[in-house]
Amino acid sequence: SQTIHQWPATLVQPVGSPLSLECTVEGTSNPNLYWYRQAAGRGLQLLFYSVGIGQISSEVPQNLSASRPQDRQFILSSKKLLLSDSGFYLCAWSVQRNEKLFFGSGTQLSVL
Amino acid sequence: RKEVEQDPGPFNVPEGATVAFNCTYSNSASQSFFWYRQDCRKEPKLLMSVYSSGNEDGRFTAQLNRASQYISLLIRDSKLSDSATYLCVVNKRDDKIIFGKGTRLHILP
Repeated sequence: SQTIHQWPATLVQPVGSPLSLECTVEGTSNPNLYWYRQAAGRGLQLLFYSVGIGQISSEVPQNLSASRPQDRQFILSSKKLLLSDSGFYLCAWSVQRNEKLFFGSGTQLSVL
Repeated sequence: RKEVEQDPGPFNVPEGATVAFNCTYSNSASQSFFWYRQDCRKEPKLLMSVYSSGNEDGRFTAQLNRASQYISLLIRDSKLSDSATYLCVVNKRDDKIIFGKGTRLHILP
């Protein structure tokens, strides 16, 4: 069966520090991968998606970037965090693009 | 009009009651529809897909009304464990998935 792992579960970072969140999927090949952010009391916002290694599409211009160095690995990064980057970050995968999504357990990021 | 709209609630419902909520969508070309459940500070989990003919999974029934552009979720014999936020999800193939902001449900003992 397929599983998705996301870490860390919680993270507290000072403004201006770098960020690296990692997500891996097991039990499937060539998954579609996504990064979402959910701010407190708000809906899910798609940040990035990837249909293959090295192929990244950005939905919203921002302080973040994503990379897919391996087929089942998706990384969210920032060189300098802003206060507004705080939120609940979720990695997800799907078999076909924009079909059923399966989410990782999320990372609660607090930028102070 | 927002792409996907849900009543944010909260819906406060006594245990054992039946509750239903709707979700409206603006894009008539939307092709796939889902309900997700999200517990506080947890990831959304797929509850059920929504098919044109309507579908049922135990106490949960989902329906799609393409003419009026809404989907619905009905929960029968509600349990305390049903307390959560229910997210409506709509997509058009090869386009973005759109998540609603969710409807909060509180089942009262």
